[in-house]
Amino acid sequence: EAAVTQSPRNKVAVTGGKVTLSCNQTNNHNNMYWYRQDTGHGLRLIHYSYGAGSTEKGDIPDGYKASRPSQENFSLILELATPSQTSVYFCASRGGDPDYTFGSGTRLLVI
Amino acid sequence: GDSVTQTEGQVTVSESKSLIINCTYSATSIAYPNLFWYVRYPGEGLQLLLKVITAGQKGSSRGFEATYNKETTSFHLQKASVQESDSAVYYCALSFDTNAYKVIFGKGTHLHVLP
Repeated sequence: EAAVTQSPRNKVAVTGGKVTLSCNQTNNHNNMYWYRQDTGHGLRLIHYSYGAGSTEKGDIPDGYKASRPSQENFSLILELATPSQTSVYFCASRGGDPDYTFGSGTRLLVI
Repeated sequence: GDSVTQTEGQVTVSESKSLIINCTYSATSIAYPNLFWYVRYPGEGLQLLLKVITAGQKGSSRGFEATYNKETTSFHLQKASVQESDSAVYYCALSFDTNAYKVIFGKGTHLHVLP
């Protein structure tokens, strides 16, 4: 079954440390996305990708980098984590249909 | 700009009662958007509940329905009789075919179904 898998499920990081969130999809979808979800906000787009080797800035890219080394993998990188980046992060993929397939989320706490 | 509004952050309903979760949208494009309802059950990621890509049509899934009303720019989610297992967070969203990434989500409505 096609799926989007995120790792880790939970992460505690220290302020100023580097954090990498990983996402793997078996849908063979070209488009992949990273969102964060905070109480009182809808999902907000951080970075997205049209395919291997491409990364694009979303609506709130500051403080984040992204990497798409292959069709299947899309990572979100926090070079210098800050407490304001404490959130739940969702990865998603999209093929020809307009709807997304989401991962289960990564809960990040920056202390 | 484009936006999706869900007016209720939380809704509490007793089991077997009817439900409506409100969603309205604002779109600057002359094209009609695709409209979605996603659901997030506790401990899981978002799942597509239903979608409608043609104005005037109705989508349905798992007993839920939503009608794409372009006159009132609304896409309310309804269910005639809720179950405790429907407790989850529901997100209304829109996208345009002309923009590969531009999916806009509402803030979500947390549904609590009381046994």
